[in-house]
Amino acid sequence: QQQVKQSPQSLIVQKGGISIINCAYENTAFDYFPWYQQFPGKGPALLIAIRPDVSEKKEGRFTISFNKSAKQFSLHIMDSQPGDSATYFCAASFDDYKLSFGAGTTVTVRA
Amino acid sequence: DAGVTQSPTHLIKTRGQQVTLRCSPKSGHDTVSWYQQALGQGPQFIFQYYEEEERQRGNFPDRFSGHQFPNYSSELNVNALLLGDSALYLCASSFQHTGELFFGEGSRLTVL
Repeated sequence: QQQVKQSPQSLIVQKGGISIINCAYENTAFDYFPWYQQFPGKGPALLIAIRPDVSEKKEGRFTISFNKSAKQFSLHIMDSQPGDSATYFCAASFDDYKLSFGAGTTVTVRA
Repeated sequence: DAGVTQSPTHLIKTRGQQVTLRCSPKSGHDTVSWYQQALGQGPQFIFQYYEEEERQRGNFPDRFSGHQFPNYSSELNVNALLLGDSALYLCASSFQHTGELFFGEGSRLTVL
């Protein structure tokens, strides 16, 4: 069964807008929550990751918000740019390497 | 510094055949994990190799097998191919199991 549920399936945002992608998990043993960015024809690349001892982590225009009690985490992309158009995957694991991925969100940034 | 390299990039097989996919990890990495990504889906963990042994395995049948060589490179073998095995097969490497996974660009397998 899918251990990480991701929404929405796709979203369109105007240049300069904010993209928000949400994920929910069930396994309380998960202790590592990365986000990956994938362009067509490429493998996923790590964007940003968080562990449950913090509620928020920011790297440049990308922010992860983490709610341990709700078992949810989200990715915010601020000031979205056309180059951000890609598929984004959330993931979770309890041993860093056996990642359970969400189904992905295709983000389209309109100029 | 070469990243994770995979071969072949694309291949077409027919049902019942066998396929071998290859992966060279990023320089300095000693652990290789394999993932299957069906079209429009997130990657699913197949197995991981460290010190030439399979350490962890996902929910995949025994038709999927692998190997790691002393130089840390790895192979994924799939026997008795089914139409449902059509997917992008991703290799990811890391230093032991403590850090970021670096993914290759994948091998696109089509089973007819």
